[in-house]
Amino acid sequence: GAGVSQSPSNKVTEKGKDVELRCDPISGHTALYWYRQSLGQGLEFLIYFQGNSAPDKSGLPSDRFSAERTGGSVSTLTIQRTQQEDSAVYLCASSSHGNSPLHFGNGTRLTVT
Amino acid sequence: SQQGEEDPQALSIQEGENATMNCSYKTSINNLQWYRQNSGRGLVHLILIRSNEREKHSGRLRVTLDTSKKSSSLLITASRAADTASYFCLGETSGSRLTFGEGTQLTVNP
Repeated sequence: GAGVSQSPSNKVTEKGKDVELRCDPISGHTALYWYRQSLGQGLEFLIYFQGNSAPDKSGLPSDRFSAERTGGSVSTLTIQRTQQEDSAVYLCASSSHGNSPLHFGNGTRLTVT
Repeated sequence: SQQGEEDPQALSIQEGENATMNCSYKTSINNLQWYRQNSGRGLVHLILIRSNEREKHSGRLRVTLDTSKKSSSLLITASRAADTASYFCLGETSGSRLTFGEGTQLTVNP
C-alpha cells in the first residue's frame, strides 16, 4: 500500500482480555515506531524497531505490553490483561532512515470496558 | 519521558492572522520536525529542519531553529480555518528515540 496501515481501526475489549494491534509500514521502511495517545494528550513513545530488533523499548509502560516485528515489515503490539487505563489511540509510524520524516498510520482506538 | 514540549498549549486566532507556536527540547538533536494532527488520528509531516539550519520555508510555513537555546518556532502565515488542528514537534537524536510534547491546539476562526 501507499501508506502505513493499522488494524483494527477500532477495538473494544473487556478488562482482563488480551489484544493484538497490527501495523503494516510502508514497504522498504526499516524504522518503525509505536506511540500511544490518550484523549486530548500528547504522544507517548512506546517502542522503536530498526529492522526486526528493538533497540529502544524503554517506553513500554509495563510488562503487559510487548511488541514484535517480523521480516523487517509487519509489527504487532500485544497488550495482555488489559486495564481501563490502556484505553487510548495507538499510533504506528515508519521511516526509511534517520533524518527522514515519519509516516503515520491512522491508529487503532482501543477502548477497555 | 518527553524530550520536547510546545507552547502555547492552545491558540485561537482569526482567519488571515499569523500563528506562531514554539517548541523546546532537552537533548541534542540531528533535526527537528513539525507535525499536524487532525481529529486525534494520524499525524502528517509538515517540515523538517536540520541542526545546521537556522530557518526554513515551505509555502505558508516558516520554521526556525536555535540549537543554542534548544528551541524552535513554527509560523503559519495568513491562516485559514482549515489550519485548525493540533501541532507537534519532535527532535530526532543520534539514538533511536523520537518523542513528542503535548502539542499546540490551534483554532482559526472564520
